[in-house]
Amino acid sequence: GDSVTQMEGPVTLSEEAFLTINCTYTATGYPSLFWYVQYPGEGLQLLLKATKADDKGSNKGFEATYRKETTSFHLEKGSVQVSDSAVYFCALPAINAGGTSYGKLTFGQGTILTVHP
Amino acid sequence: EAGVAQSPRYKIIEKRQSVAFWCNPISGHATLYWYQQILGQGPKLLIQFQNNGVVDDSQLPKDRFSAERLKGVDSTLKIQPAKLEDSAVYLCASSRDTEAFFGQGTRLTVV
Repeated sequence: GDSVTQMEGPVTLSEEAFLTINCTYTATGYPSLFWYVQYPGEGLQLLLKATKADDKGSNKGFEATYRKETTSFHLEKGSVQVSDSAVYFCALPAINAGGTSYGKLTFGQGTILTVHP
Repeated sequence: EAGVAQSPRYKIIEKRQSVAFWCNPISGHATLYWYQQILGQGPKLLIQFQNNGVVDDSQLPKDRFSAERLKGVDSTLKIQPAKLEDSAVYLCASSRDTEAFFGQGTRLTVV
């Protein structure tokens, strides 16, 4: 079945440092790939997505490129801020006979990011 | 646009007791999901509704968990009787097309 593996965490960085959170996946077919973020006390929010191979998703300074050859979707940001402290989840949606089910998600275990001033 | 509403935010119960969680999805979203998020893990799908019908409940422990969405809008997830391992955050999500929107979740502690 589908699975998502994220790098072991937590990650602690100083403000303005470079961030990489690794994500690899196993899936049947070529699904879309997502990064979700969970800020303290809030629900999961979609951060960015990519719908096909070599697509780059970007939002709020974060980027991730859909790499089919390495089955990866690593999250990067060039300069993190304290406000980026949150839990980040890589996820992929199920593909059914009727198409992609965007809410039926397989999540990675999550990576806790803490950014210090 | 109002988001996905869940209640209560927190619940503490003793093992073997019962508990219910409520979810109100975003207006117009036909698909509703319940996820269980155990501490340190990613959310895991429990059940998916399309309108008031169940699409997938293969991961729902049916001996103790039940869920309904009678009028195709609000949904209730129930656990009876609760076990210690049910301690988790229960997330509700809804979607219409290419994105799922999540509520803040209900944090359940079973003691």
